[in-house]
Amino acid sequence: AQSVAQPEDQVNVAEGNPLTVKCTYSVSGNPYLFWYVQYPNRGLQFLLKYITGDNLVKGSYGFEAEFNKSQTSFHLKKPSALVSDSALYFCAVRPRTTSGTYKYIFGTGTRLKVLA
Amino acid sequence: DAGVIQSPRHEVTEMGQEVTLRCKPISGHDYLFWYRQTMMRGLELLIYFNNNVPIDDSGMPEDRFSAKMPNASFSTLKIQPSEPRDSAVYFCASSSGGPNTGELFFGEGSRLTVL
Repeated sequence: AQSVAQPEDQVNVAEGNPLTVKCTYSVSGNPYLFWYVQYPNRGLQFLLKYITGDNLVKGSYGFEAEFNKSQTSFHLKKPSALVSDSALYFCAVRPRTTSGTYKYIFGTGTRLKVLA
Repeated sequence: DAGVIQSPRHEVTEMGQEVTLRCKPISGHDYLFWYRQTMMRGLELLIYFNNNVPIDDSGMPEDRFSAKMPNASFSTLKIQPSEPRDSAVYFCASSSGGPNTGELFFGEGSRLTVL
C-alpha cells in the first residue's frame, strides 16, 4: 500500500537553530512531493514541491526540502527557525500515473514548536 | 484571487439534522477536493472532482454523505442525517491539473459540531 510517514509527532527547536521535519514515502515511480503548513484554525498552505530536477527545493518563508530518491525521503529544512514557524506541517505525495487519477497521500503531520 | 471560499466557517447542529457545506474553488482550477480533518484520523480525502465530474468518492464514509458540483464555481457537501461522529473540520481544496503544477489550495475550513 502506498503511504507517507512522518515519524515525529512533534519537533522542538530553539529559535535561531536549524530545523528538520522528516518525511519518507512508499509510493511507486517518481511521485510529486509537497509540503504544507497549517496554523491554528486555518487551512493548509502550500510551502513547496518537488517535480523534477535539483534535489534541493526552495519554498516559502525560507523553507527548503531535500529529495533523496534512494532513501525515498523528502525532509523539510530551515537554517534558522523562528517562533512564528510554530505550526503543523504535512508532507504529501501525489503518484504520477497515466490513468488520470489525482489523489494526494498525506502524512499524519508533525507539530513544530520553536522555543524563544 | 480570493482563494478557496468555504461557508459556513462554523456550524453547530443537533443529531439528525441536515448539514450543507459550501465551497467556491479558485477560478480556473479544474480539480476540487473535499477533505475531513479530525484529531483521531488526521486528514481524510472524502471525494474529488475533475471538471465538475466526481472521480473518486471511495472516501465518503457512508450514504449519509453526498457531494455535488453543479458548475465549475460551486460545490456542496451534504450530510443527512448528521451524527456526533461527523464532528470535524471539513476542508475544500482546488487545484489546476498538469504535470508542473498540482499543488492544492485549501479553504479555511468548516468546523462542524454535531450535538
